[in-house]
Amino acid sequence: EVQLLESGGGLVQPGGSLRLSCAASGFTFSNYGLGWVRQAPGKGLEWVSAISPNGERTYYIDSVKGRFTVSRDNSKNTLYLQMTTLRAEDTAVYYCAKEYGFRLPFDTWGQGTPVTVSS
Amino acid sequence: EIVLTQSPATLSLSPGERATLSCRASQTVDSYLAWYQQKPGQAPRLLIYGASNRATGIPARFSGSGSGADFTLTISNLEPEDSAVYYCQQRFDSWTFGQGTKVQIK
Repeated sequence: EVQLLESGGGLVQPGGSLRLSCAASGFTFSNYGLGWVRQAPGKGLEWVSAISPNGERTYYIDSVKGRFTVSRDNSKNTLYLQMTTLRAEDTAVYYCAKEYGFRLPFDTWGQGTPVTVSS
Repeated sequence: EIVLTQSPATLSLSPGERATLSCRASQTVDSYLAWYQQKPGQAPRLLIYGASNRATGIPARFSGSGSGADFTLTISNLEPEDSAVYYCQQRFDSWTFGQGTKVQIK
């Protein structure tokens, strides 16, 4: 069974940092692009970042460029999102998701990990 | 940035009726358009990819159509379990989601 399991969320003060992890199983991890999508309380889905199968290409929404870094360890089947200089508007549930294929949508999602930025 | 606009914001229908959801892109996305269903407290679930292809395990009452900049998700013969928020997403240029349409079953 294909599974994604996020961890690392929590409460952090404005300006602080967090690193999210997403452990994958049930598929050949190194063959697929992966992404992070967030959902602020009561709001819709917002794509945040993505990474190519080999990790060489990374992509970000403008609002997190320079603050967030996506990476992956294909030997550990794990995706990461390093978040720094966090702002109140980064408060959301963060989902990791697996792409169905190149330029295809996300066909598998984790259960999400909540991030709250507040003093 | 490609903007996706979904309409209506909310749809209230009875079981057995047909729901028609619209997603309009600010520029062409060819057929790189997907639809997701999200129920409260759950992660999104992929319904449709490539504008009209059902994902694995999705019932035939869900269908997608359109290309270019105008797309439609049709849910035929609505069931109570179809109550959810539905999002479209483009993968033509980067990634963006629409703001969602909430489907309520009376």
